Amino acid sequence: GAVVSQHPSRVICKSGTSVKIECRSLDFQATTMFWYRQFPKQSLMLMATSNEGSKATYEQGVEKDKFLINHASLTLSTLTVTSAHPEDSSFYICSAIGTEFPGNQPQHFGDGTRLSIL
Amino acid sequence: GNSVTQMEGPVTLSEEAFLTINCTYTATGYPSLFWYVQYPGEGLQLLLKATKADDKGSNKGFEATYRKETTSFHLEKGSVQVSDSAVYFCASNAGGTSYGKLTFGQGTILTVHP
Repeated sequence: GAVVSQHPSRVICKSGTSVKIECRSLDFQATTMFWYRQFPKQSLMLMATSNEGSKATYEQGVEKDKFLINHASLTLSTLTVTSAHPEDSSFYICSAIGTEFPGNQPQHFGDGTRLSIL
Repeated sequence: GNSVTQMEGPVTLSEEAFLTINCTYTATGYPSLFWYVQYPGEGLQLLLKATKADDKGSNKGFEATYRKETTSFHLEKGSVQVSDSAVYFCASNAGGTSYGKLTFGQGTILTVHP
């Protein structure tokens, strides 16, 4: 149980393109989803916390207009990288916490999306 | 604030060797503690967890004990396999107003040779 699916797994596109990444909880409802960015051989950097039906909370230094997050349902959150540039190339990972789980439960992670901007 | 510190890597071992990856934390209150594993090109998988002092998390031969007196959550395995090669992350969850938010250590790369 507690499966999180992330799509696409890899995307390559031209500079200036907007890219949408989907994060779905397949077998549970997720009140909260998280979006991370990971640079090579580094730890995860939290970008934003997404709660269903409300605006995302962004971490300091993360551009809200560059990284648009929508959490329209209890099973789906999307991250859109707008007007992507080569410096946005990275590994993006989402995670989710379910409504049924009590506090202090683990996050369940998707398999990540490798974004390459040419 | 909360922080998690892991031992520096990379760690290189021979198959069947004993593994320890140190992890210490600072937090206000009593966090839950987790170990996650990341295989190349993939997301993170929960390896084990402990939610209160003296709890021992275990899974797939890995163990870690929540030590409040030393604020530690060291990961151990008695006999590693080549398939254990991955990056290991220690993390804490402060709960409360930061519900669900994880603080990660920097990750430790483990390579196991046959």
